Amino acid sequence: GEDVEQSLFLSVREGDSSVINCTYTDSSSTYLYWYKQEPGAGLQLLTYIFSNMDMKQDQRLTVLLNKKDKHLSLRIADTQTGDSAIYFCAESITPGGKLIFGQGTELSVKP
Amino acid sequence: DADVTQTPRNRITKTGKRIMLECSQTKGHDRMYWYRQDPGLGLRLIYYSFDVKDINKGEISDGYSVSRQAQAKFSLSLESAIPNQTALYFCATSVSTGTSLNEQFFGPGTRLTVL
Repeated sequence: GEDVEQSLFLSVREGDSSVINCTYTDSSSTYLYWYKQEPGAGLQLLTYIFSNMDMKQDQRLTVLLNKKDKHLSLRIADTQTGDSAIYFCAESITPGGKLIFGQGTELSVKP
Repeated sequence: DADVTQTPRNRITKTGKRIMLECSQTKGHDRMYWYRQDPGLGLRLIYYSFDVKDINKGEISDGYSVSRQAQAKFSLSLESAIPNQTALYFCATSVSTGTSLNEQFFGPGTRLTVL
């Protein structure tokens, strides 16, 4: 069945890089997504990657996709206190279909 | 004004009560979703609707029902609330684009406590 796994917590120092990891089970995923949830708010799409890509870079964010290992990662360069949030990995199995979310990784950035 | 709104934002109720959570959107999207968020479990899909006449069960629909009153409105009901339905509930919307991308837009959430 479909399953998306993430570690629950990550703590980094301000200015360091953060790497949040995700594994998924369904190799037919079309898009993989990273959503960010700030305290007391709903989720917002941060970035996404199409399944035929290996990497996508967007300013401080780098997404790496290893299809062979079904592993997705989100790297945040020069992490700031404003990056403290819960980050969710998600996949869509059918084109444009419903999303399967991971458990969320709570990123804590210490000054 | 927020594009996806949820009412109420917080609700405390008692076991056995019927509760309705409402979601409205001004984005003109055709697809709407209800999720619940529990610590350590992420978001789990309760129900989703791809248009006004389309309702589908998600992975945890037992104990819940929904109504899509209009394209802009999607309500979630708990017929007889129980304590393990205490959670943060999110409504989300998306638009069918004809592509594989499914970007969802989330409301601010409703925190429900069942005593």
